[in-house]
Amino acid sequence: EVQLVASGGSLVQPGGSLRLSCAASGFTFRSYAMAWVRQAPGKGLEWVSEISSSSGYTYYADSVKGRFTISRDNSKNTLYLEMNSLRAEDTAVYYCSKGGVYYDTRGYMSGFFDFWGQGTLVTVSS
Amino acid sequence: DIQMTQSPSSLSASVGDRITITCRASQGISNYLAWYQHKPGKVPNLLIYAASTLHSGVPSRFSGSGSGTDFTLTISSLQPEDVATYYCQNYDSAPRTFGQGTKVEIK
Repeated sequence: EVQLVASGGSLVQPGGSLRLSCAASGFTFRSYAMAWVRQAPGKGLEWVSEISSSSGYTYYADSVKGRFTISRDNSKNTLYLEMNSLRAEDTAVYYCSKGGVYYDTRGYMSGFFDFWGQGTLVTVSS
Repeated sequence: DIQMTQSPSSLSASVGDRITITCRASQGISNYLAWYQHKPGKVPNLLIYAASTLHSGVPSRFSGSGSGTDFTLTISSLQPEDVATYYCQNYDSAPRTFGQGTKVEIK
């Protein structure tokens, strides 16, 4: 059974830093891309960042580029999100998610998310 | 960046009704489109990927169609457990963008 357990969320002051972790089990972690998706209070889902299986590529939403860093440790089956220069608008539940995969005419396709962790709440406030 | 626009933003229908949600991409994305269901207090669940492929375990009353810029999610017979917000998501390229969501309620 796929399990994704996110942790590290807390109350932090504007300008502060936080590191989220996501412990994965039940699948071959090193074989799949992973991502962070967030939901601010009363808002919809927002894709934040994504990392390939071997960390060869990373992508970021414009809203977090230069402030957040995604990484993974395949030896520990863990995904991370380092968040710096936090703003009030970063307040949200942060979900870690596993990349789904299939093959089509373009080859290996990913970028959608077939399993999601329970989320960890980040509150940025003074 | 590719913008995803869903309509309607909310709908109310009776149990057993057929409902359709539309998602439009600001540029062509072939069939690289996923749909998710998000119930209050729960984690999002993948329903459909590649515009029309049902994810494992998803009831057959859910279906998806479309290609290019216009996509639809259909629930053939609405059930009480389908009350949720539904999101489309583009994965043709990064950034992966979600639609703003469609909230489905029972009349």
